[in-house]
Amino acid sequence: AQSVTQLDSHVSVSEGTPVLLRCNYSSSYSPSLFWYVQHPNKGLQLLLKYTSAATLVKGINGFEAEFKKSETSFHLTKPSAHMSDAAEYFCVVSDTGNQFYFGTGTSLTVIP
Amino acid sequence: NAGVTQTPKFQVLKTGQSMTLQCAQDMNHEYMSWYRQDPGMGLRLIHYSVGAGITDQGEVPNGYNVSRSTTEDFPLRLLSAAPSQTSVYFCASSLAPNYEQYFGPGTRLTVT
Repeated sequence: AQSVTQLDSHVSVSEGTPVLLRCNYSSSYSPSLFWYVQHPNKGLQLLLKYTSAATLVKGINGFEAEFKKSETSFHLTKPSAHMSDAAEYFCVVSDTGNQFYFGTGTSLTVIP
Repeated sequence: NAGVTQTPKFQVLKTGQSMTLQCAQDMNHEYMSWYRQDPGMGLRLIHYSVGAGITDQGEVPNGYNVSRSTTEDFPLRLLSAAPSQTSVYFCASSLAPNYEQYFGPGTRLTVT
């Protein structure tokens, strides 16, 4: 069985400070892992994905995530938050089957 | 390319009414899926399809039907709407399972 746990439902950071959004997963197989972003009243956009290549994955808009198998984690980071980063972020896991499992989301607020 | 399109954007139904949410993609993607998004619950998979003529159930299929007669289209049918089906519905497509999913803009459905 698979599941995804996003450890924080809300995160607030000041503009220019680092962002850390935490995600833990469980999977019976070697998973594919994704981070998606959803801006208010918008659809979802892929930030980055891990598919068993390099464990440090770089995405769009300066985001990156590190796959740590021993910790079953896939945390999302960004060195310096921008006002435009305020959004909902979803961690997603998929195994060798056909289904994707979403976390419950982390709402990021950026304080000017 | 239009990407993934969904119609309608908004819909209000009375309990017991039926309707079809339309989804189309022009990227020749084999994999298509439907999700519902509810506050605090992330996105949950309703049904998915790995190609024309092939559909399967996701995490929350009850009350919904799907069919896939062409690669491009993947409609979602509500046979007898219930207030519990009030949600935002997203359609997504990808080249194959485990690949990046492209999401439509969503349909906001209210059942009274």
